Amino acid sequence: GENVEQHPSTLSVQEGDSAVIKCTYSDSASNYFPWYKQELGKRPQLIIDIRSNVGEKKDQRIAVTLNKTAKHFSLHITETQPEDSAVYFCAASIGGSSASKIIFGSGTRLSIRP
Amino acid sequence: GAGVSQSPRYKVAKRGQDVALRCDPISGHVSLFWYQQALGQGPEFLTYFQNEAQLDKSGLPSDRFFAERPEGSVSTLKIQRTQQEDSAVYLCASSPRDRRGQETQYFGPGTRLLVL
Repeated sequence: GENVEQHPSTLSVQEGDSAVIKCTYSDSASNYFPWYKQELGKRPQLIIDIRSNVGEKKDQRIAVTLNKTAKHFSLHITETQPEDSAVYFCAASIGGSSASKIIFGSGTRLSIRP
Repeated sequence: GAGVSQSPRYKVAKRGQDVALRCDPISGHVSLFWYQQALGQGPEFLTYFQNEAQLDKSGLPSDRFFAERPEGSVSTLKIQRTQQEDSAVYLCASSPRDRRGQETQYFGPGTRLLVL
């Protein structure tokens, strides 16, 4: 079946350095790729998303890149800060533009070292 | 405005007991989703509604799980004869009008279910 793989499962970076999280997906019809941040005991919060008609999107310190040919997409966080510590989930839509279902990766626990 | 709300926030059930989890989506949101999130895992899709119609229930793990959204707003996820493996956080999400292309899903705080 369709799946989304996410790496690494844990990531520790020095404050101020960059963090990169990578995901691959299996459904060639996927056209929507959101990223969620989830703090302990809280709800997932959308931080950025990208659609298949663009290759890159940036919002302040956060950027996402998409390679549809290789079926992978990545989250880049620059100038990391302590409040960036959380679990990050990538996701991909399943079934093309008329579908609404998204499949999540297994998550990356990001820790920012002071 | 108000976000997605869920109740109860915590539920402890004895094995074999039935439970009902409620989701209040953002007003006017057409689509509503239920997910199950086990500890340390990503949310797993359970079912999806567009207004009152349940369009996809492929993720429901067994026939003990049942979801409804009779008036196209509030939704209830019911689990009959709960088992210990049902222990998880149950997340609800809603998204705006249906159209070709994806809409952002906004999540509720979840209901943490513990089955003893």
